[in-house]
Amino acid sequence: GAGVSQSPSNKVTEKGKDVELRCDPISGHTALYWYRQSLGQGLEFLIYFQGNSAPDKSGLPSDRFSAERTGGSVSTLTIQRTQQEDSAVYLCASSPDRGKTDTQYFGPGTRLTVL
Amino acid sequence: AQSVTQLGSHVSVSEGALVLLRCNYSSSVPPYLFWYVQYPNQGLQLLLKYTSAATLVKGINGFEAEFKKSETSFHLTKPSAHMSDAAEYFCAVTGGSGNQFYFGTGTSLTVIP
Repeated sequence: GAGVSQSPSNKVTEKGKDVELRCDPISGHTALYWYRQSLGQGLEFLIYFQGNSAPDKSGLPSDRFSAERTGGSVSTLTIQRTQQEDSAVYLCASSPDRGKTDTQYFGPGTRLTVL
Repeated sequence: AQSVTQLGSHVSVSEGALVLLRCNYSSSVPPYLFWYVQYPNQGLQLLLKYTSAATLVKGINGFEAEFKKSETSFHLTKPSAHMSDAAEYFCAVTGGSGNQFYFGTGTSLTVIP
């Protein structure tokens, strides 16, 4: 079956531009997470969606970051006015969300480079 | 507050030798603990998880981990390393009422033939 997919796989942009990163979760998974993985750092939680509930945005580093999840499926992470420190690999994960002990299934990530 | 510390960003072992990857956690609530592995050019996948049942947890590919509350540890072990075990390993913790997962900085495992 299809896993979590993310697009684009690589994105190079100029400082100050806006970027959109896409995540297609596994069909039927109600929970969706976004993480950021910077060089030499662990995964940093950004945002969590569960079904139709209001998302948990507590990990977003600034108001330049936002995310949507349409129809409980596809999610888009938007970074406005990109900065060089935004350069990282952005990972998306989904889970059936039977609880906190659920396995998360990760996508391959989008590598963002801000010049 | 919760956090995870992985001691040793790089670990090298000989093929057939014991693998020991260290993870210590900090949590003010009963934790759930996870080990994920990232093989080269692949996404992260779950190795094993502790969910407050048995303290010794067995995972895929011969890995296991033991939850030790007194030591706030969840070290990952495998008796005999294979070349195919070369990968990046991440420890993670969650728990309480929040939705956040806290990942460590990862340990890169090299297996020497």
